[in-house]
Amino acid sequence: EVQLVESGGGLIQPGGSLRLSCAASGFSVINNYMSWVRQAPGKGLEWVSITYSDGNTYYADSVKGRFTISRDNSKNTLYLQMNSLRAEDTAVYYCATLEWSGYYKVWGQGTLVTVSS
Amino acid sequence: IVLTQFPGTLSLSPGERATLSCRASQSVSSSYLAWYQQKPGQAPRLLIYGASSRATGIPDRFSGSGSGTDFTLTISRLEPEDFAVYYCQQYGNSPYTFGQGTKLEIK
Repeated sequence: EVQLVESGGGLIQPGGSLRLSCAASGFSVINNYMSWVRQAPGKGLEWVSITYSDGNTYYADSVKGRFTISRDNSKNTLYLQMNSLRAEDTAVYYCATLEWSGYYKVWGQGTLVTVSS
Repeated sequence: IVLTQFPGTLSLSPGERATLSCRASQSVSSSYLAWYQQKPGQAPRLLIYGASSRATGIPDRFSGSGSGTDFTLTISRLEPEDFAVYYCQQYGNSPYTFGQGTKLEIK
Protein backbone atom coordinates (compact mmCIF):
# COMPACT_ATOMS: atom_id res chain seq x y z
CA GLU A 1 0.00 0.00 0.00
CA VAL A 2 1.28 3.44 -0.92
CA GLN A 3 1.54 5.61 2.18
CA LEU A 4 3.06 8.94 3.19
CA VAL A 5 3.64 9.96 6.80
CA GLU A 6 4.75 13.51 7.63
CA SER A 7 6.50 14.60 10.80
CA GLY A 8 8.53 17.51 12.14
CA GLY A 9 5.90 20.17 12.58
CA GLY A 10 5.52 22.26 15.70
CA LEU A 11 5.63 25.72 17.21
CA ILE A 12 8.53 27.87 16.05
CA GLN A 13 9.38 31.54 16.52
CA PRO A 14 9.50 33.92 13.56
CA GLY A 15 12.88 33.76 11.88
CA GLY A 16 13.44 30.20 13.02
CA SER A 17 14.03 27.01 11.05
CA LEU A 18 12.26 23.68 10.87
CA ARG A 19 12.70 20.52 8.81
CA LEU A 20 9.69 18.50 7.81
CA SER A 21 9.97 14.83 6.89
CA CYS A 22 7.71 12.66 4.78
CA ALA A 23 8.37 8.94 5.05
CA ALA A 24 7.13 6.95 2.09
CA SER A 25 6.20 3.28 1.90
CA GLY A 26 4.97 1.14 -0.95
CA PHE A 27 6.93 3.06 -3.58
CA SER A 28 10.25 4.84 -4.09
CA VAL A 29 10.42 8.62 -3.69
CA ILE A 30 13.46 8.84 -5.92
CA ASN A 31 11.54 7.51 -8.92
CA ASN A 32 8.51 9.70 -8.44
CA TYR A 33 7.54 13.33 -8.62
CA MET A 34 6.96 14.59 -5.10
CA SER A 35 5.49 17.79 -3.74
CA TRP A 36 4.69 19.79 -0.64
CA VAL A 37 1.33 21.55 -0.40
CA ARG A 38 0.21 23.68 2.53
CA GLN A 39 -3.07 24.86 3.95
CA ALA A 40 -3.29 27.82 6.30
CA PRO A 41 -5.91 27.51 9.07
CA GLY A 42 -9.38 27.78 7.55
CA LYS A 43 -7.95 28.48 4.10
CA GLY A 44 -7.46 26.70 0.80
CA LEU A 45 -4.61 24.67 -0.65
CA GLU A 46 -1.35 26.23 -1.83
CA TRP A 47 1.43 24.51 -3.74
CA VAL A 48 4.81 25.01 -2.02
CA SER A 49 7.45 22.95 -3.80
CA ILE A 50 7.98 20.16 -6.32
CA THR A 51 10.87 17.82 -6.98
CA TYR A 52 10.99 15.77 -10.13
CA SER A 53 12.68 12.41 -10.59
CA ASP A 54 15.41 14.11 -12.66
CA GLY A 55 16.34 16.18 -9.62
CA ASN A 56 14.87 19.48 -10.75
CA THR A 57 13.14 21.45 -8.03
CA TYR A 58 10.64 24.31 -8.10
CA TYR A 59 9.25 26.62 -5.45
CA ALA A 60 6.33 28.96 -5.01
CA ASP A 61 7.40 32.59 -5.05
CA SER A 62 6.25 32.92 -1.44
CA VAL A 63 8.91 30.47 -0.20
CA LYS A 64 11.66 30.77 -2.81
CA GLY A 65 15.05 31.31 -1.22
CA ARG A 66 13.80 30.20 2.20
CA PHE A 67 12.61 26.62 1.69
CA THR A 68 14.52 23.67 0.24
CA ILE A 69 13.03 20.37 -0.89
CA SER A 70 15.20 17.25 -0.90
CA ARG A 71 15.07 13.45 -0.83
CA ASP A 72 17.00 10.72 0.95
CA ASN A 73 17.00 7.53 -1.10
CA SER A 74 18.32 5.34 1.72
CA LYS A 75 15.47 6.39 3.99
CA ASN A 76 12.90 6.73 1.21
CA THR A 77 11.99 10.09 2.70
CA LEU A 78 11.13 13.52 1.36
CA TYR A 79 12.16 16.63 3.28
CA LEU A 80 11.29 20.30 3.41
CA GLN A 81 13.86 22.52 5.08
CA MET A 82 12.18 25.76 6.09
CA ASN A 83 14.30 28.75 7.10
CA SER A 84 13.49 32.35 7.99
CA LEU A 85 9.98 31.33 8.93
CA ARG A 86 7.23 33.94 8.99
CA ALA A 87 3.82 34.06 10.61
CA GLU A 88 2.25 33.60 7.17
CA ASP A 89 3.98 30.21 6.85
CA THR A 90 1.66 28.88 9.56
CA ALA A 91 -0.19 25.98 7.96
CA VAL A 92 -0.69 22.26 7.76
CA TYR A 93 1.97 20.94 5.40
CA TYR A 94 1.10 17.94 3.27
CA CYS A 95 3.45 15.88 1.17
CA ALA A 96 1.94 14.28 -1.89
CA THR A 97 2.88 12.27 -4.92
CA LEU A 98 2.56 14.12 -8.16
CA GLU A 99 1.58 12.32 -11.33
CA TRP A 100 3.72 13.15 -14.38
CA SER A 101 0.98 15.36 -15.76
CA GLY A 102 0.64 17.33 -12.54
CA TYR A 103 -2.18 16.18 -10.29
CA TYR A 104 -1.70 15.04 -6.70
CA LYS A 105 -2.49 11.37 -6.34
CA VAL A 106 -1.53 10.25 -2.82
CA TRP A 107 -1.44 12.56 0.20
CA GLY A 108 0.03 12.27 3.65
CA GLN A 109 -1.99 13.17 6.73
CA GLY A 110 -0.22 16.51 7.17
CA THR A 111 1.87 18.13 9.87
CA LEU A 112 1.05 21.48 11.50
CA VAL A 113 3.60 24.27 11.55
CA THR A 114 2.82 27.26 13.74
CA VAL A 115 5.06 30.30 13.49
CA SER A 116 4.45 32.55 16.46
CA SER A 117 6.30 34.33 19.23
CA ILE B 1 -4.14 30.70 -13.89
CA VAL B 2 -6.71 31.78 -11.30
CA LEU B 3 -9.46 29.27 -10.58
CA THR B 4 -12.77 30.53 -9.21
CA GLN B 5 -15.14 28.02 -7.67
CA PHE B 6 -18.84 28.65 -7.20
CA PRO B 7 -20.93 28.58 -5.27
CA GLY B 8 -18.85 29.15 -2.17
CA THR B 9 -21.29 27.10 -0.14
CA LEU B 10 -23.90 24.66 -1.41
CA SER B 11 -26.65 23.45 0.92
CA LEU B 12 -28.36 20.27 -0.19
CA SER B 13 -30.02 17.19 1.26
CA PRO B 14 -28.91 13.57 0.94
CA GLY B 15 -30.25 12.07 -2.26
CA GLU B 16 -30.12 15.35 -4.14
CA ARG B 17 -27.86 16.17 -7.09
CA ALA B 18 -24.91 18.51 -6.56
CA THR B 19 -23.31 20.62 -9.26
CA LEU B 20 -20.05 22.39 -8.42
CA SER B 21 -18.36 24.77 -10.84
CA CYS B 22 -14.78 25.81 -11.44
CA ARG B 23 -13.91 28.61 -13.84
CA ALA B 24 -10.37 29.36 -15.01
CA SER B 25 -9.01 32.79 -15.87
CA GLN B 26 -7.58 31.32 -19.07
CA SER B 27 -7.92 28.09 -20.95
CA VAL B 28 -6.59 25.03 -19.13
CA SER B 29 -4.23 23.09 -21.40
CA SER B 30 -5.31 19.57 -22.34
CA SER B 31 -8.15 19.65 -19.80
CA TYR B 32 -5.59 19.20 -17.06
CA LEU B 33 -8.11 19.80 -14.30
CA ALA B 34 -8.49 17.76 -11.11
CA TRP B 35 -11.01 17.69 -8.28
CA TYR B 36 -10.31 16.84 -4.64
CA GLN B 37 -12.53 16.22 -1.64
CA GLN B 38 -11.46 17.27 1.84
CA LYS B 39 -13.23 16.42 5.07
CA PRO B 40 -12.50 18.23 8.36
CA GLY B 41 -9.16 17.20 9.83
CA GLN B 42 -8.26 15.05 6.83
CA ALA B 43 -5.99 15.39 3.85
CA PRO B 44 -7.48 16.07 0.43
CA ARG B 45 -8.45 13.03 -1.63
CA LEU B 46 -8.19 12.87 -5.40
CA LEU B 47 -11.59 12.36 -7.05
CA ILE B 48 -11.21 13.34 -10.70
CA TYR B 49 -8.26 14.02 -13.01
CA GLY B 50 -8.09 14.97 -16.65
CA ALA B 51 -11.38 16.81 -16.11
CA SER B 52 -13.46 13.62 -16.32
CA SER B 53 -11.48 10.53 -15.26
CA ARG B 54 -12.39 9.08 -11.88
CA ALA B 55 -9.53 8.15 -9.59
CA THR B 56 -9.23 4.59 -8.30
CA GLY B 57 -11.96 3.66 -5.85
CA ILE B 58 -14.12 6.74 -6.45
CA PRO B 59 -17.84 5.89 -6.71
CA ASP B 60 -19.49 6.47 -10.07
CA ARG B 61 -21.91 8.99 -8.57
CA PHE B 62 -18.98 11.43 -8.95
CA SER B 63 -18.43 12.74 -12.46
CA GLY B 64 -16.43 15.55 -13.98
CA SER B 65 -16.92 17.44 -17.20
CA GLY B 66 -15.82 20.56 -19.02
CA SER B 67 -12.98 21.97 -21.05
CA GLY B 68 -11.27 25.25 -21.77
CA THR B 69 -12.22 27.55 -18.92
CA ASP B 70 -15.36 25.96 -17.48
CA PHE B 71 -15.43 22.72 -15.52
CA THR B 72 -18.06 20.96 -13.43
CA LEU B 73 -18.07 18.31 -10.73
CA THR B 74 -21.39 16.53 -10.40
CA ILE B 75 -22.47 14.25 -7.60
CA SER B 76 -25.53 12.47 -8.91
CA ARG B 77 -27.09 11.45 -5.62
CA LEU B 78 -25.60 12.76 -2.40
CA GLU B 79 -24.63 10.34 0.33
CA PRO B 80 -24.06 11.54 3.93
CA GLU B 81 -20.30 11.03 3.53
CA ASP B 82 -20.16 13.40 0.53
CA PHE B 83 -20.61 16.54 2.61
CA ALA B 84 -17.17 18.13 2.57
CA VAL B 85 -15.11 20.84 0.88
CA TYR B 86 -14.23 20.35 -2.79
CA TYR B 87 -11.27 21.91 -4.56
CA CYS B 88 -10.41 22.09 -8.23
CA GLN B 89 -6.79 22.27 -9.41
CA GLN B 90 -5.33 23.05 -12.79
CA TYR B 91 -2.06 21.47 -13.83
CA GLY B 92 -1.89 22.56 -17.42
CA ASN B 93 0.14 25.66 -16.71
CA SER B 94 2.87 26.25 -14.16
CA PRO B 95 2.46 27.14 -11.37
CA TYR B 96 -0.25 24.63 -10.61
CA THR B 97 -3.09 26.38 -8.82
CA PHE B 98 -6.12 25.48 -6.74
CA GLY B 99 -9.52 27.04 -6.51
CA GLN B 100 -10.65 28.46 -3.19
CA GLY B 101 -13.04 25.58 -2.57
CA THR B 102 -16.78 24.91 -2.40
CA LYS B 103 -18.24 23.76 0.89
CA LEU B 104 -21.01 21.22 0.43
CA GLU B 105 -23.14 21.22 3.56
CA ILE B 106 -26.22 19.36 4.69
CA LYS B 107 -29.41 21.36 4.35
